[in-house]
Amino acid sequence: QSVLTQPPSVSAAPGQKVTISCSGSSSNIGNNYVSWYQQLPGTAPKLLIYDNNKRPSGIPDRFSGSKSGTSATLGITGLQTGDEADYYCGTWDSSLSALVFGGGTKLTVL
Amino acid sequence: EVQLVQSGGEVKKPGESLKISCKGFGYSFTSYWIAWVRQMPGKGLEWMGIIYPGDSDTRYSPSFQGQVTISADKSISTAYLQWSSLKASDTAMYYCARQIAAAGGDYFDYWGQGTLVTVSS
Repeated sequence: QSVLTQPPSVSAAPGQKVTISCSGSSSNIGNNYVSWYQQLPGTAPKLLIYDNNKRPSGIPDRFSGSKSGTSATLGITGLQTGDEADYYCGTWDSSLSALVFGGGTKLTVL
Repeated sequence: EVQLVQSGGEVKKPGESLKISCKGFGYSFTSYWIAWVRQMPGKGLEWMGIIYPGDSDTRYSPSFQGQVTISADKSISTAYLQWSSLKASDTAMYYCARQIAAAGGDYFDYWGQGTLVTVSS
């Protein structure tokens, strides 16, 4: 059971938009920044979003992040088949003194 | 270019010891935390702990405290993850990652390619 809750799967058609939610508590998301990672099949995770809504260099603006209270959301617009991957949210948990991840969401682009 | 290059896959028997490595290239290795992250087969990511190679300050997740040892040799820009007695349940992919540790804003900006550890009798 992960500390952060994500839907196991989401799906949408190419070109459409999808959002992935990440729910936590005041000890983690509520008082810390959230990051998001993309893990393509058979590869290492890759940073997509940090500090709730900032994109590292090279990440297209089709990817966006937001946070409200104890929940965060990753948005992906203009879906491409190459976006099919597992997506993870992460943040520091002050009660556990550990970095925690969501259980991951598998994105299918139909 | 920043790179983290991990050692190759390992196949071990229960009870054996193991040390895997992560070598940093292209940045000041002593100035950034290195984290270890476990991914069991078909499962999600789990943060195991971090080390600051500059002074070897090490922190462990409560879930992994006492189960593994994290160390580093700054002279060769390499971090390590080791087990003294492996169990079948240690079978997983292990990633090292550069952890940016800012107040309330920890994240991983670069990842190694992963080391697959298989423990089987």
